[in-house]
Amino acid sequence: DSGVTQTPKHLITATGQRVTLRCSPRSGDLSVYWYQQSLDQGLQFLIQYYNGEERAKGNILERFSAQQFPDLHSELNLSSLELGDSALYFCASSPKGSAYLSYNEQFFGPGTRLTVL
Amino acid sequence: AQTVTQSQPEMSVQEAETVTLSCTYDTSESDYYLFWYKQPPSRQMILVIRQEAYKQQNATENRFSVNFQKAAKSFSLKISDSQLGDAAMYFCAYRSGSDDMRFGAGTRLTVKP
Repeated sequence: DSGVTQTPKHLITATGQRVTLRCSPRSGDLSVYWYQQSLDQGLQFLIQYYNGEERAKGNILERFSAQQFPDLHSELNLSSLELGDSALYFCASSPKGSAYLSYNEQFFGPGTRLTVL
Repeated sequence: AQTVTQSQPEMSVQEAETVTLSCTYDTSESDYYLFWYKQPPSRQMILVIRQEAYKQQNATENRFSVNFQKAAKSFSLKISDSQLGDAAMYFCAYRSGSDDMRFGAGTRLTVKP
């Protein structure tokens, strides 16, 4: 158990809908990262938050957005869902420290499997 | 942009034997970290081993060790005494400074009894 929690575990929805994925980082970790893993693919970085502020953006679609709250949990919002958005969405957190000098490994949650029908 | 390449989509090893998974990366940075993550059928991402670029000594964690060749930008993972539980997808990853972590496409390891 990495200490990172994600809810829900599974989510099934229809095209055009909007969903919210939730992540709670490890205690004390200030950085949260979101990744998308499509079937049999590697992980694609979406976005990073550090202590409530957006720090880095990867291949995140405009239909997707995220935020990190004062209690450090994070939510990833996916809207106008398409079939191609079906994937495993991982949240990861990094140990406390400067976002720019945080070389430590990222600890991953169990993921949320999103299925868009 | 930094890229990570795993040239072996699939590998197979006999139980108790040794297998090496390859990884190369491209970067202009001098200071960075490299990681190997394991993803079993449960899909959980599990850190196997990490290597700091400034350290010349190769990292070792029990049956797992790396061969880090900084000049060649190579970072291979050696699994000794392979066990059935080692069967998984293995991802090589790179990270430096403020950069996000970049992952390779993965190598699917099968362990034959």
